[in-house]
Amino acid sequence: AQSVTQLGSHVSVSEGALVLLRCNYSSSVPPYLFWYVQYPNQGLQLLLKYTSAATLVKGINGFEAEFKKSETSFHLTKPSAHMSDAAEYFCAVTVYSSASKIIFGSGTRLSIRP
Amino acid sequence: EAGVTQFPSHSVIEKGQTVTLRCDPISGHDNLYWYRRVMGKEIKFLLHFVKESKQDESGMPNNRFLAERTGGTYSTLKVQPAELEDSGVYFCASTQVGSGNTIYFGEGSWLTVV
Repeated sequence: AQSVTQLGSHVSVSEGALVLLRCNYSSSVPPYLFWYVQYPNQGLQLLLKYTSAATLVKGINGFEAEFKKSETSFHLTKPSAHMSDAAEYFCAVTVYSSASKIIFGSGTRLSIRP
Repeated sequence: EAGVTQFPSHSVIEKGQTVTLRCDPISGHDNLYWYRRVMGKEIKFLLHFVKESKQDESGMPNNRFLAERTGGTYSTLKVQPAELEDSGVYFCASTQVGSGNTIYFGEGSWLTVV
């Protein structure tokens, strides 16, 4: 079985500061890992995904995440926060080589201070 | 190429009424999923279709929820009778094996039961 844990339901950073959203996963088989973002009153948008290729994954809007198997982590980072980054972010896991269901973390709401 | 589309985008119904949500997956995607997020909580898996067959319906909360995918194309999710706790956003998603397991989400159907 797979699961993800997102540390911190709410993170607040200043504009221009580093964004770090934490995600730890649990999987009995090699996982596929994702970060999705939900802007207010909008659907889920894929930010980036890890599919067993490069461990450092670059996504849209300047975000990136690093897969660390030894730490079972897939933290999301952005060097410099922008006001438009304010949204809710979801880490998710599924099993590779199949189209099985995706399991979401509980989400982290990111606020940006001017 | 059109993405996953959902209808209606917003619905307000009274307790006890029936609502039917529709999802059109990306053309050619055999795998279709329903998820929901209730009152700002985590995104929960409801069920998974492979073509017209229910592959996994372990997340369906009770027998007031009925999902169908006749012909393996679009899917409907009916809630009958609706209860207050059914309020939330219902997401549909689709994927095709071999796409790197990227699951593409629709904009969601926002349901309010009053």
